[in-house]
Amino acid sequence: NAGVTQTPKFQVLKTGQSMTLQCAQDMNHNSMYWYRQDPGMGLRLIYYSASEGTTDKGEVPNGYNVSRLNKREFSLRLESAAPSQTSVYFCASLRQGAYEQYFGPGTRLTVT
Amino acid sequence: GENVEQHPSTLSVQEGDSAVIKCTYSDSASNYFPWYKQELGKRPQLIIDIRSNVGEKKDQRIAVTLNKTAKHFSLHITETQPEDSAVYFCAPSTGNQFYFGTGTSLTVIP
Repeated sequence: NAGVTQTPKFQVLKTGQSMTLQCAQDMNHNSMYWYRQDPGMGLRLIYYSASEGTTDKGEVPNGYNVSRLNKREFSLRLESAAPSQTSVYFCASLRQGAYEQYFGPGTRLTVT
Repeated sequence: GENVEQHPSTLSVQEGDSAVIKCTYSDSASNYFPWYKQELGKRPQLIIDIRSNVGEKKDQRIAVTLNKTAKHFSLHITETQPEDSAVYFCAPSTGNQFYFGTGTSLTVIP
C-alpha cells in the first residue's frame, strides 16, 4: 500500500494563477482532509469530506475549493492564488469508525 | 469551534530527563485526544492517543494523561533521547474534525 499520496511535492505560482493539488489514498478510507501548515500555527483544517460525494468547510476555507472525485481521491483547488496561500499543504485520510489520521507527505506551495 | 492551547511552545531538556507538554481544550464534547510528532520537513505521525473513557495510557517511554473535568491532557516522555527532538502537536477531536494545537518544539541536548 502506498498510503496517502500527494502531487506535486513543490510548486511555485504567481499571484492570480490557479492550480489543483491532488491527493489519493489506497486504504479504502471514508474520510479525507486538507490542512495547511504555516510556521508557528500548527495545522489548520481547510476542507474535509466525510464520505464520497460530501464536502464540508473547515476553519480556513476562503480562497479554496475541493472535489471528492471518488472514494480514493480528494483534490484542492486554488482559483486565484495569493501570497497569503504560501504554505505547506497536507492531505489526510481516516477509516470509518476509527480515529487515527494518516497523512500524505505534503505539498510545499509558494505564491510570489 | 474548539479552542486549543499547547504549552510550552519550546522545551529544551538534557538527554535522559523527562519532558511534559500540556494541551488544554474548550469543547466538552471532545472524545479523542491524540499526540502527533513531526520531524523537520516530514508529515505528522501519531505517537499516542487516548479515548475519553480512559485516564492514562502508556507506550514504552511515552504516556498520555487525560483530565476531562479540567479539559486538558498531557504528553509525558521519559528518558529522552536525541531522536525525540521534533515538534509535537495535540489535536483533540469530537469525531469528524481535529483541532491542532500550535505545537511544542522539543530539543533534547546530548
